[in-house]
Amino acid sequence: GAVVSQHPSWVICKSGTSVKIECRSLDFQATTMFWYRQFPKQSLMLMATSNEGSKATYEQGVEKDKFLINHASLTLSTLTVTSAHPEDSSFYICSARAPPQETQYFGPGTRLLVL
Amino acid sequence: QKEVEQDPGPLSVPEGAIVSLNCTYSNSAFQYFMWYRQYSRKGPELLMYTYSSGNKEDGRFTAQVDKSSKYISLFIRDSQPSDSATYLCAMKKGQAGTALIFGKGTTLSVSS
Repeated sequence: GAVVSQHPSWVICKSGTSVKIECRSLDFQATTMFWYRQFPKQSLMLMATSNEGSKATYEQGVEKDKFLINHASLTLSTLTVTSAHPEDSSFYICSARAPPQETQYFGPGTRLLVL
Repeated sequence: QKEVEQDPGPLSVPEGAIVSLNCTYSNSAFQYFMWYRQYSRKGPELLMYTYSSGNKEDGRFTAQVDKSSKYISLFIRDSQPSDSATYLCAMKKGQAGTALIFGKGTTLSVSS
């Protein structure tokens, strides 16, 4: 199946700093990527849909100024958590839509801990 | 009513048992159905993909979709301890680029 990578796999930062997470589709081009957030023992919660070359579409309740998404190429989307606070600590997972089937392949996730 | 309902379990079975995992949904517009397996602290891994109704088999895994009942199932034959994970059902409408809607996931534990 298609491979999606994420970097970094985990990050610890101080409150108030910004953190950038990269999501790459390694062996296919992804016009659409998705960013999810997952709290312990909870299901995946969609944060935003990222389309290459256009602005991301955010889900209700997700602050677009806090979670900046950039999808500058067909193989790379980035999520920047700006001015991170302890409540932003979570597991962030990206996925990429792989044509022609309507499937999504997920990255391994990034664990963020804000102190 | 949530769009996708899935019993979170946990479900505990002995090694070799047949496991049945299920999801129900309310939106008849869903056309694509998937099952993902997620190990602790890892990203979800695509197990099965089905378009519209019918059965699909891959090794020890069988996925079934019954659109008339809005019900999907994943069967695991000869379950192994390595199958212990959380299983997420997911589905989407037909429009290209729309996001998957996930169930909450069922936690499965297979004991040796």
